[in-house]
Amino acid sequence: GDSVTQMEGPVTLSEEAFLTINCTYTATGYPSLFWYVQYPGEGLQLLLKATKADDKGSNKGFEATYRKETTSFHLEKGSVQVSDSAVYFCALSDLQGGSEKLVFGKGTKLTVNP
Amino acid sequence: DTGVSQDPRHKITKRGQNVTFRCDPISEHNRLYWYRQTLGQGPEFLTYFQNEAQLEKSRLLSDRFSAERPKGSFSTLEIQRTEQGDSAMYLCASSLGGFNEKLFFGSGTQLSVL
Repeated sequence: GDSVTQMEGPVTLSEEAFLTINCTYTATGYPSLFWYVQYPGEGLQLLLKATKADDKGSNKGFEATYRKETTSFHLEKGSVQVSDSAVYFCALSDLQGGSEKLVFGKGTKLTVNP
Repeated sequence: DTGVSQDPRHKITKRGQNVTFRCDPISEHNRLYWYRQTLGQGPEFLTYFQNEAQLEKSRLLSDRFSAERPKGSFSTLEIQRTEQGDSAMYLCASSLGGFNEKLFFGSGTQLSVL
């Protein structure tokens, strides 16, 4: 079945550091890929998405590029802020897999220190 | 837009008891999803509705679980004869439209089965 693998956390960075959170996937068809973020005490919210190979999703300084050849969708940000501290979830949806559900990775907790 | 609301926020129950959770989606959203999340894991899909029709159920949704969305607005998730393994955060999400549309998540109901 479809699955998502994220790098193990937690990740601790200093403000203005470069962030990469790795995400790879396994899917039956050609999935759409997403990053969701959960800030402390809040519900998950969509950060960015990409629906086809080579698409780049971007939002709030975060970027991720859909790489079909490496089945990856790594999240990057050039300069993190304390306010970016949250749990980040990579996810996919694969209609060809027979379902419209989102399949999530385990999440990566990011802490940014001043 | 008041967001997705879930009630209660926390529920403590004894093994064998029945519990019911409620989800109020964003008013114009026709799709409603239930997910379950345990500590250190990403959300796992349980079921979803388009309007009042339940279109997909996960194999995780045993016979003890039932979900309804009687008028295509709010939804309830009932767990009968709770077990300790049911302890988790139950998340509700809604969206406008279908596949690949942004999901808006509630803050969840934390269930603890003693």
